[in-house]
Amino acid sequence: SAVISQKPSRDICQRGTSLTIQCQVDSQVTMMFWYRQQPGQSLTLIATANQGSEATYESGFVIDKFPISRPNLTFSTLTVSNMSPEDSSIYLCSVVPYENNEQFFGPGTRLTVL
Amino acid sequence: AQRVTQPEKLLSVFKGAPVELKCNYSYSGSPELFWYVQYSRQRLQLLLRHISRESIKGFTADLNKGETSFHLKKPFAQEEDSAMYYCARRVYDKVIFGPGTSLSVIP
Repeated sequence: SAVISQKPSRDICQRGTSLTIQCQVDSQVTMMFWYRQQPGQSLTLIATANQGSEATYESGFVIDKFPISRPNLTFSTLTVSNMSPEDSSIYLCSVVPYENNEQFFGPGTRLTVL
Repeated sequence: AQRVTQPEKLLSVFKGAPVELKCNYSYSGSPELFWYVQYSRQRLQLLLRHISRESIKGFTADLNKGETSFHLKKPFAQEEDSAMYYCARRVYDKVIFGPGTSLSVIP
């Protein structure tokens, strides 16, 4: 299995500011993903974080709003830019380890935008 | 588009009663399907996957290609089964989630 940590675990931010969320895994993984879970809703995939290249975004999500970095095989960041109250959500990091095909999820970052 | 649907947003059953959480998927080749569970204040975790054909915590799920379904079943519900259940499928390298069903087991 993979142990995933996210920082911060929660934050309250002002409209128009940006927040960077970090995801750290205890072992090298093949795939890293970022999901969003809005209040009372299911998980929606934002993007696939690609190591050494630009992230691959899902329909409805753009790099200017959600820039993503993945400098190595164990770490990724997601930035929520120019935040509005509609960005209030839980943001989850997810990984697929090399040794199996199972997808693991981090504890999530609960973001509230005022 | 590859879609996963779960028709029930909420499901309540009495303890000891059978439970079935419904999941349907849009047809496309050979799907890889999963059930994830999220207990209160815990992170999302994999419950079972169709390729393993296993039973976890008494739950089973059978892939029915004819009906494009992957319903989750348990013959006797327990209070600790109360949680949010998500059906999901892998599309290429990505896992896409259904809307989820909140299961409440009444003592």
